[in-house]
Amino acid sequence: QEQLVESGGGVVQPGGSLRLSCAASGFTFSTYRFHWVRQAPGKGLEWVALISYDGNDKYYADSVKGRFTISRDNSKNTLYLQMDSLRVEDTAVYYCARVTIGSGSPSWGQGTLLIVSP
Amino acid sequence: EIVLTQSPGTLSLSPGERAILSCRASQSFSSNYLAWYHQKPGQAPRLLIYGASSRAAGIPDRFSGSVSGTDFILTISRLEPEDFAVYYCQQYGASPWTFGQGTKVEIK
Repeated sequence: QEQLVESGGGVVQPGGSLRLSCAASGFTFSTYRFHWVRQAPGKGLEWVALISYDGNDKYYADSVKGRFTISRDNSKNTLYLQMDSLRVEDTAVYYCARVTIGSGSPSWGQGTLLIVSP
Repeated sequence: EIVLTQSPGTLSLSPGERAILSCRASQSFSSNYLAWYHQKPGQAPRLLIYGASSRAAGIPDRFSGSVSGTDFILTISRLEPEDFAVYYCQQYGASPWTFGQGTKVEIK
């Protein structure tokens, strides 16, 4: 069964750091690009970052550029999001996602909650 | 980036009625990579439609998607109690992914 499982969320003070993980299973991890998407409480969905198959190309939303770093370890089938200089407005549920080859449908994990609070 | 505009913001309907939700894109994008999700409080978005008109696994056939140019439509033929939720469209055919602001379908 193809699956994405996020972890690493928690409560952090403003200015702090945290690393989220997304463990993949049931498919060939290295053949996919991956995205992080977030949703602040009571708000809509916001794309955060994208990483290429080999990790060499990375793209970020302006709201996180210079503070967040997306990375991957293809040997561990795991995607990461390193978040530094966190702000209250980064509070959100963070989802990892991909587009499945073949059907072309998006596939998301269940999300992990980050709370940035003094 | 591609801007998606959903309308209406809120749709007030009764169970059994038909719902029509709109998502207009600011420009065209590849392969009609447009998805629809619904979301209930405290839950992750659930994929309903992908590729503009293909139903995701396990989604009942009362949900259908269509497209005309850059106008995308989600139709729910007969609303069931579990369908009252917020609906989002998403384009995943161009970077960055973008989302509509959502349409809330509420019980009248």
